[in-house]
Amino acid sequence: NAGVTQTPKFQVLKTGQSMTLQCAQDMNHNSMYWYRQDPGMGLRLIYYSASEGTTDKGEVPNGYNVSRLNKREFSLRLESAAPSQTSVYFCASSEGINTEAFFGQGTRLTVV
Amino acid sequence: QQPVQSPQAVILREGEDAVINCSSSKALYSVHWYRQKHGEAPVFLMILLKGGEQKGHEKISASFNEKKQQSSLYLTASQLSYSGTYFCGTEGSNDYKLSFGAGTTVTVRA
Repeated sequence: NAGVTQTPKFQVLKTGQSMTLQCAQDMNHNSMYWYRQDPGMGLRLIYYSASEGTTDKGEVPNGYNVSRLNKREFSLRLESAAPSQTSVYFCASSEGINTEAFFGQGTRLTVV
Repeated sequence: QQPVQSPQAVILREGEDAVINCSSSKALYSVHWYRQKHGEAPVFLMILLKGGEQKGHEKISASFNEKKQQSSLYLTASQLSYSGTYFCGTEGSNDYKLSFGAGTTVTVRA
């Protein structure tokens, strides 16, 4: 099983460019998450989807949009990238509350 | 709202013990613990539920005091493989978002 797959693994953007980070899980999980990881800040929740068709803001949603395309896929879009969005982005999924979260391998994004 | 972890970092020699603490300002439904090795994704260690249920993983155990909204992770007789960054994750009683703390970096030396 692939688990949680994120694409791309690395990306360099210029300020103002847009891009979409893709995430897909093959575990039939209901809940999916997007986090960003910065030194000293831990994992900060950007957006969350409890189930197909629902999304909710996390702790740092500004500058991002998400789409829960179907049960498998949860994408994160940067409409106009800024240097402050340079980070490592992790997608995760779980069956739901009180269950183990599985993480993808991360996307290292640099905005110049 | 992110939970608060302490300490930020700890250095151990093999065989020593350590405790990592996690606290939240909101009512908790559960606490998760994950470990992340450098350059890798976080990996699940355990979940603790309301009721003070204590669970273990090898020589790593944890406790959860939901009244105090606190959890502690106990590293016993540490091994070199325990090195990494440990994150606590919390789910509230009123919302089911999984929020993580800033992490505790553990270095175990021979």
